[in-house]
Amino acid sequence: EADIYQTPRYLVIGTGKKITLECSQTMGHDKMYWYQQDPGMELHLIHYSYGVNSTEKGDLSSESTVSRIRTEHFPLTLESARPSHTSQYLCASSQLGQGGYTFGSGTRLTVV
Amino acid sequence: DQQVKQNSPSLSVQEGRISILNCDYTNSMFDYFLWYKKYPAEGPTFLISISSIKDKNEDGRFTVFLNKSAKHLSLHIVPSQPGDSAVYFCAAGPQGAQKLVFGQGTRLTINP
Repeated sequence: EADIYQTPRYLVIGTGKKITLECSQTMGHDKMYWYQQDPGMELHLIHYSYGVNSTEKGDLSSESTVSRIRTEHFPLTLESARPSHTSQYLCASSQLGQGGYTFGSGTRLTVV
Repeated sequence: DQQVKQNSPSLSVQEGRISILNCDYTNSMFDYFLWYKKYPAEGPTFLISISSIKDKNEDGRFTVFLNKSAKHLSLHIVPSQPGDSAVYFCAAGPQGAQKLVFGQGTRLTINP
């Protein structure tokens, strides 16, 4: 069973709507990440957090925002969705000293 | 500027033969390298990693080779099985695997 959960798995939403993509992990990992991936393209880091109340923007500019109020929860919010936000959003977590990330199943967002 | 490149978008291999997936990187600061496997509609799953102090790491049918002077790594799968059909992502980052940079992925198809 997955140790990191993303909801919803799929979302189709109209332009201008506010949405929040949920990500929770049960492993007690300090570090959490949001990546954005378009088909056939690399994963781009858009946000990361190294602990509670710590958030940073990633290498790819994004209009989304994140919060980290609890260790296990790292939601991503789009205040006003646009068709250019259509993509797959992947949440991941890791612990320093342990190899690699654990990824969630992703949210495929379509903005119409 | 793409720091991690997988130049083959797809690869087709006969079942039982060896699959070789390649990855090049440009950042000399990278010293930890990973391969992830991704099935459709799922998040990537960690496969195997290698630190820059090694040039080879094996785990069952999977072997990763690192050539630091050429800034090149490869993943060998032998023998290839139908369940290996997936998209494989190469990733790199500093020791501790924080803020990983991903390649575009290679879609591997194993033919019976």
